[in-house]
Amino acid sequence: DQQVKQNSPSLSVQEGRISILNCDYTNSMFDYFLWYKKYPAEGPTFLISISSIKDKNEDGRFTVFLNKSAKHLSLHIVPSQPGDSAVYFCAASEGSQGNLIFGKGTKLSVKP
Amino acid sequence: DAGVIQSPRHEVTEMGQEVTLRCKPISGHNSLFWYRQTMMRGLELLIYFNNNVPIDDSGMPEDRFSAKMPNASFSTLKIQPSEPRDSAVYFCASGFIYNEQFFGPGTRLTVL
Repeated sequence: DQQVKQNSPSLSVQEGRISILNCDYTNSMFDYFLWYKKYPAEGPTFLISISSIKDKNEDGRFTVFLNKSAKHLSLHIVPSQPGDSAVYFCAASEGSQGNLIFGKGTKLSVKP
Repeated sequence: DAGVIQSPRHEVTEMGQEVTLRCKPISGHNSLFWYRQTMMRGLELLIYFNNNVPIDDSGMPEDRFSAKMPNASFSTLKIQPSEPRDSAVYFCASGFIYNEQFFGPGTRLTVL
């Protein structure tokens, strides 16, 4: 049973607009959440993270929002650029564990 | 600085053969993770090490899979004997427990 779910396999956005990628989780013990970006033929690269004691973390064009009551997090990219086209993975970990649980990814396409 | 190094990048072998995947983590990192990515199951953790000691190998599919970390700068993932269903991209990642992980470029394994 998937503990981290990304229900949208793909998303298409116009350049300059906002991209919103969503992620849901089921394990209430998760306390650290991350987003990774992956280009074809490369490994995932870390993008941004958030601890469960926060509800928002921002880094340049990227903002992650965490709603613990809904067990939901989202990644906002503003403005979206064609170079943002990639697969985005949501991941979560539980404080007592060292491993990350990944969602299956959302493929973002940003059209010029 | 060099990132995580994996070799080989591509491996094609026949069913029944032994396969060895190699990983050199980023210097200074104390944790190393092996993942497998498939279309069906996404990115799943196979095993991880902390300070060269295996901590959680519950993701290793079966006894045909084994992993070692003889020192802080080298790890191997071995499949013996290999089967067609082992075909996947295998990623190695390093980092510190409870923090982001840095992924290598992956090894694409094809078992005929």
